[in-house]
Amino acid sequence: QSVLTQPPSASGTPGQRVTISCSGSSSNIGTNYVYWYQQLLGTAPKLLMYRNNQRPSGVPDRFSGSRSGTSASLAISGLRSEDEADYYCAAWDDSLSGPVFGGGTKLTV
Amino acid sequence: EVQLVESGGGLVKPGGSLRLSCAASGFTFSNEWMSWVRQAPGKGLEWVGRIRIKTDGGTTDYAAPVKDRFAISRDDSKNTLYLHMTSLKTEDTAVYYCTTDRVALIRGVITNIPDYWGQGTLVTVSS
Repeated sequence: QSVLTQPPSASGTPGQRVTISCSGSSSNIGTNYVYWYQQLLGTAPKLLMYRNNQRPSGVPDRFSGSRSGTSASLAISGLRSEDEADYYCAAWDDSLSGPVFGGGTKLTV
Repeated sequence: EVQLVESGGGLVKPGGSLRLSCAASGFTFSNEWMSWVRQAPGKGLEWVGRIRIKTDGGTTDYAAPVKDRFAISRDDSKNTLYLHMTSLKTEDTAVYYCTTDRVALIRGVITNIPDYWGQGTLVTVSS
C-alpha cells in the first residue's frame, strides 16, 4: 500500500489534455514539495517535475504540475503517443523521514 | 551525462545475502547523496535507503522494511555505491535502482528525493 494515492489508470486521445492526481497528507504533500516521474515501458523512472511545478531541462512545457493542500496534480496537454507511460508522484514525508511514492498511474494514449 | 549502472542482481534463497553495486560516472560522485529505490514486479516504487556524502557524515538511513537487514556503503575512490542485503525475504524480490538525490533544506530538515536513476538490477528471492 503506497503512502501517496494515485488513480491506477488514465487515458486520452492525441492532442487532448489529461490530469493525474496525487493525494497525500499533512506530513508529506501538505508541507513538502511534490515530484513527478515518468517511467516508459521497461525503462527506469525519469524525473519529470520537481518542487511542485519546475521542469528539468529537456522536459517539454506540455507537462505542468501543481499542488493544493494535501493534493497535487500533473497535467499533460497536447497528448502524444510517446507520453504513454507510468507516472509516479513523490514527496518527502516528515513522519517517515524519507521520500514516499504514489502507486503509479498508467497513462494510455 | 550522468550514468548509473547497477549490477549484482540474481536469484537467491530466502535467508540468503547479496551485494549490489552501482557504478557512477558523468558527475562528481563524492559530492552527491545517493539512494536505493526498489520496484516489486508490477508494483510501485519504494525507497530503500540513502547515504550522505562524507562531509555530511557519510551516514545512512533506511526504510522500516529493510532496517537492520540492508546496509548501504560507498567507495568514493571507485565512484561506486553498494547495497548489502542480508536475511533476504521473498518480499524483497524487486528491481533495485540506484539514484542520485536532490537534497534540500526545508524548514530545518534536510530532505532528499531521487533524481537520476540507473537502469536497475533484478533481485529474485525464491526457494
